[in-house]
Amino acid sequence: KQEVTQIPAALSVPEGENLVLNCSFTDSAIYNLQWFRQDPGKGLTSLLLIQSSQREQTSGRLNASLDKSSGRSTLYIAASQPGDSATYLCAVPFTDSWGKLQFGAGTQVVVTP
Amino acid sequence: DAGVTQSPTHLIKTRGQQVTLRCSPKSGHDTVSWYQQALGQGPQFIFQYYEEEERQRGNFPDRFSGHQFPNYSSELNVNALLLGDSALYLCASSSGTPNEQFFGPGTRLTVL
Repeated sequence: KQEVTQIPAALSVPEGENLVLNCSFTDSAIYNLQWFRQDPGKGLTSLLLIQSSQREQTSGRLNASLDKSSGRSTLYIAASQPGDSATYLCAVPFTDSWGKLQFGAGTQVVVTP
Repeated sequence: DAGVTQSPTHLIKTRGQQVTLRCSPKSGHDTVSWYQQALGQGPQFIFQYYEEEERQRGNFPDRFSGHQFPNYSSELNVNALLLGDSALYLCASSSGTPNEQFFGPGTRLTVL
């Protein structure tokens, strides 16, 4: 059974500092991994999708790396801004059922001015 | 492109009642998935529809049912509501699986 863990559960950084968010998964036979952002009480916004054949994916200030062999992905957010404050979740498709996403509990980020 | 839309935004029901939530997928998407998100937790998969049929199902009781229409929009029905059904219900759409999933704004259901 695939399990996804995100540590830490919460993070507070001053504006301008780089953010490093971690995601680990127990079954390395993943097809892809998706990072999402969620503002309080809102839906999920897709940030990056990284395929299993990729080592990293970039979009603007965001960079996601993937190491399947160690079961880890890291989301880097450069030069953080107060607007980056949100909960960040990672998700992978179930190994035996690709339509189902297994989510971590998320990392709540606060960027202070 | 309107993206994934959901209605209603908020809903308040009492125990034992029934509720229907609606979702319109992103243009060009044919697959709709439903998730339940309790406060402080990651979303949990309920089921997925493709070609008007339930293709996959998570660990949810039969009180949770759904439907997909020919235009790919979808409904989630929950019967005999329990207090524990209070949550944010999220709809996601994709063009097949396991491709990137796009989520709607969610429906906040409160059961009193």
